[in-house]
Amino acid sequence: DAKTTQPPSMDCAEGRAANLPCNHSTISGNEYVYWYRQIHSQGPQYIIHGLKNNETNEMASLIITEDRKSSTLILPHATLRDTAVYYCIVRGPTGQNFVFGPGTRLSVLP
Amino acid sequence: SAVISQKPSRDICQRGTSLTIQCQVDSQVTMMFWYRQQPGQSLTLIATANQGSEATYESGFVIDKFPISRPNLTFSTLTVSNMSPEDSSIYLCSAHRELNTEAFFGQGTRLTVV
Repeated sequence: DAKTTQPPSMDCAEGRAANLPCNHSTISGNEYVYWYRQIHSQGPQYIIHGLKNNETNEMASLIITEDRKSSTLILPHATLRDTAVYYCIVRGPTGQNFVFGPGTRLSVLP
Repeated sequence: SAVISQKPSRDICQRGTSLTIQCQVDSQVTMMFWYRQQPGQSLTLIATANQGSEATYESGFVIDKFPISRPNLTFSTLTVSNMSPEDSSIYLCSAHRELNTEAFFGQGTRLTVV
């Protein structure tokens, strides 16, 4: 599975959109981009995943560049409860486990 | 989605003892995994729990220290054996319904060894 690179930390004002970037320049054609988050002292929570098309669900939007070498997770209206560590993970369709990097610590500020 | 329950949610144990952590999924799943999260760190995979056969361990983790059972498609246990303070971590169970789908995680077991 390809490696990902994320900024270690970001701040976002409450009510504004949070845009979390992820680089995955070595991604293969059949590898998916997954996003998880971990709120303090809880298990990781699945957010969204995609292959090449942009995806949206009730939690977030995932924008994947046309060359698939990077993506952005968008939380459209961040709240204080969105403060968490966000993990971007690349995984193939026959991949086994999810490999977690250090992630991005997002702080939503009042 | 799948709901994963872990027991206990936390425990404080004496060094040299063992603790068994249970993971129950509310529906049948293909894959189950055990992770460790040391204080301030990201998640590290311990092993894949294989139904009806021995678990597959990652480098640095051995069966004698972390025996795992998976008797059916909804249940698994992880035992942390002969504990030392270095084993103080959060232990997390995860599961996938199918190989190419998202994983769901339990809330973790916070273990403190004194």
